[in-house]
Amino acid sequence: TQLLEQSPQFLSIQEGENLTVYCNSSSVFSSLQWYRQEPGEGPVLLVTVVTGGEVKKLKRLTFQFGDARKDSSLHITAAQPGDTGLYLCAEPAGGTSYGKLTFGQGTILTVHP
Amino acid sequence: SQTIHQWPATLVQPVGSPLSLECTVEGTSNPNLYWYRQAAGRGLQLLFYSVGIGQISSEVPQNLSASRPQDRQFILSSKKLLLSDSGFYLCAWKGGPWEQFFGPGTRLTVL
Repeated sequence: TQLLEQSPQFLSIQEGENLTVYCNSSSVFSSLQWYRQEPGEGPVLLVTVVTGGEVKKLKRLTFQFGDARKDSSLHITAAQPGDTGLYLCAEPAGGTSYGKLTFGQGTILTVHP
Repeated sequence: SQTIHQWPATLVQPVGSPLSLECTVEGTSNPNLYWYRQAAGRGLQLLFYSVGIGQISSEVPQNLSASRPQDRQFILSSKKLLLSDSGFYLCAWKGGPWEQFFGPGTRLTVL
């Protein structure tokens, strides 16, 4: 089972600042997903990246997949308190018929007003 | 549209007591279903998954078991809870090749 390393573990910033969180592996990702989880709720899928070098944007969030597909980043521009939450990356494990995911340990983001 | 329900939302149980957590999915048929456990503010650990009625695969050895008595019902159980069973339990269903949709979770505290 591949290990997904996320960094930083904790991030505390002021509203309006920019930030980047990372997800890395020693092995090549088949594809990678980013989820956001708010306290007391289940994670919600933000994006799936598949192709090396791929960049996807979701409003103020920019997701990049490394050229070698061994790393990914999530950049948030002008963070808002509503961005507060746990950001998780996940990789498929096993075939599509099972659809299992392996999750990283997450980055806890706190955006202060 | 599809929805996923979990209950109870919170549970406080003494060590050694039994456990039963329920997950139901609406608006889809024969979904893959998953049980995860999450330590406080950390990543998700896959406990069990099911590709159909009566079909359960266990990912990690533990004090828990799972059952799928109906197509859209997934149950997590234990005969005797341990302190280490405390955590946030999440049920999910497979919506696409790799996409999973999560329920609201159950916060379990074992005292």
